[in-house]
Amino acid sequence: GQSLEQPSEVTAVEGAIVQINCTYQTSGFYGLSWYQQHDGGAPTFLSYNALDGLEETGRFSSFLSRSDSYGYLLLQELQMKDSASYFCAGSKGNQFYFGTGTSLTVIP
Amino acid sequence: DTAVSQTPKYLVTQMGNDKSIKCEQNLGHDTMYWYKQDSKKFLKIMFSYNNKELIINETVPNRFSPKSPDKAHLNLHINSLELGDSAVYFCASSPQTGLGYTFGSGTRLTVV
Repeated sequence: GQSLEQPSEVTAVEGAIVQINCTYQTSGFYGLSWYQQHDGGAPTFLSYNALDGLEETGRFSSFLSRSDSYGYLLLQELQMKDSASYFCAGSKGNQFYFGTGTSLTVIP
Repeated sequence: DTAVSQTPKYLVTQMGNDKSIKCEQNLGHDTMYWYKQDSKKFLKIMFSYNNKELIINETVPNRFSPKSPDKAHLNLHINSLELGDSAVYFCASSPQTGLGYTFGSGTRLTVV
């Protein structure tokens, strides 16, 4: 299978900016998606990069470089409610894979 | 209106039993999925169905069998449950394979 690697844990201060990286081991993914999951909840879709570059949605931005097999999720003006797990996900043909997940803790 | 609903939310059962988890989506999506999330929160795809045809079947034990009576439903049946099957199982759907998933609320399965 394919692997998408993320840092396991990130801690950041309320109001700050944090970047969560995602690197994948194979080329050919059609694009990269990002999902947020709070403890006890279901993953919810945040953003999708079909092409290289930056996509902005409110406080969240996502970036993709297919030539580098790399993407990131940028969260600005962090709020306590942003404490959650974040997953990147890539699709290739009919196959779809989630990253290892990053647990983000926002502290006062 | 719940977009993707799965039942039950919690399931506690003994080893060796057979159980089913139901999933329904009212989004008109073409593809539905089952994912298993383990204690380390890793999401692993188990099955996906596109227009009632299985298009992904990852290497899961054949004790697990997906059943799709129509495009809006994808149920998961598990035979001879084992301790290692304890996890959270998520149903999801998407308008096309791999994009814009909507997840159900999950079923926490505990095998004792």
